[in-house]
Amino acid sequence: DVKVTQSSRYLVKRTGEKVFLECVQDMDHENMFWYRQDPGLGLRLIYFSYDVKMKEKGDIPEGYSVSREKKERFSLILESASTNQTSMYLCASSPPGAIYQPQHFGDGTRLSIL
Amino acid sequence: GQQLNQSPQSMFIQEGEDVSMNCTSSSIFNTWLWYKQDPGEGPVLLIALYKAGELTSNGRLTAQFGITRKDSFLNISASIPSDVGIYFCAGLGQGAQKLVFGQGTRLTINP
Repeated sequence: DVKVTQSSRYLVKRTGEKVFLECVQDMDHENMFWYRQDPGLGLRLIYFSYDVKMKEKGDIPEGYSVSREKKERFSLILESASTNQTSMYLCASSPPGAIYQPQHFGDGTRLSIL
Repeated sequence: GQQLNQSPQSMFIQEGEDVSMNCTSSSIFNTWLWYKQDPGEGPVLLIALYKAGELTSNGRLTAQFGITRKDSFLNISASIPSDVGIYFCAGLGQGAQKLVFGQGTRLTINP
C-alpha cells in the first residue's frame, strides 16, 4: 500500500515565522503535490513537482515555496507565515502515468498561524 | 480559469437510501475523478473516468462521465454509515496541467 506521511497532524506557529511542512512517500512516485483545503473552496493546488529539483506553481503559490531534494520527500515552506495561511495542508503523490492526478494523499497538517 | 460547481453542498439521508451528486462546468474536461475524504483523513481516489459517456462502478458507487464532457455524476446505492464523509469531484481540462476540484459534498447519514 502506498503511504504518504506528513510530519505533523497539528501545528501552531506565530505570524512572521518560517514554517516547514514535510511530506514523505514510500512508493517511488515521480509526482508530488501540495494542496490547501479550506471550507467551501475544495482543494487548491499550491505547488507540484514531477521530478527531483523540479517544481511548478499551482493556483495559489504566493507566500509559499517548495523543495524537492530527494524523490521521496517534498517540503512546503511558508517564508513568513501570515494568519491567512491558517488552513489544512494536504500532500499527495502519483505515478508517472498520472502526472496531474494526485492519487494518494497524506492525512493532512492542520496549521494555525497566530 | 476553469471552475467546477459541485452539488449539493451537503446531504442528510437515512441509512439505506441512494445518494446522487454531480459536478458541472462551463468548460470541457478530459478526465473526471471522484474522491472521498473521511473525517480527519486525506482524500482517497474512488473512481477515475477518461472517456465521454463512460460509466464506471466501484462496489456500491457508480460514476459517469457526461456526454457533453462538462459534467460528471456520482451515485451511491444503499448507503451505510461508513459512507459518511466529504466527496470531491475533480476535473482535468484539455491541455490543462492542473486538476480543478469541486467544493465538495458533505454526506451525513442518520442510522
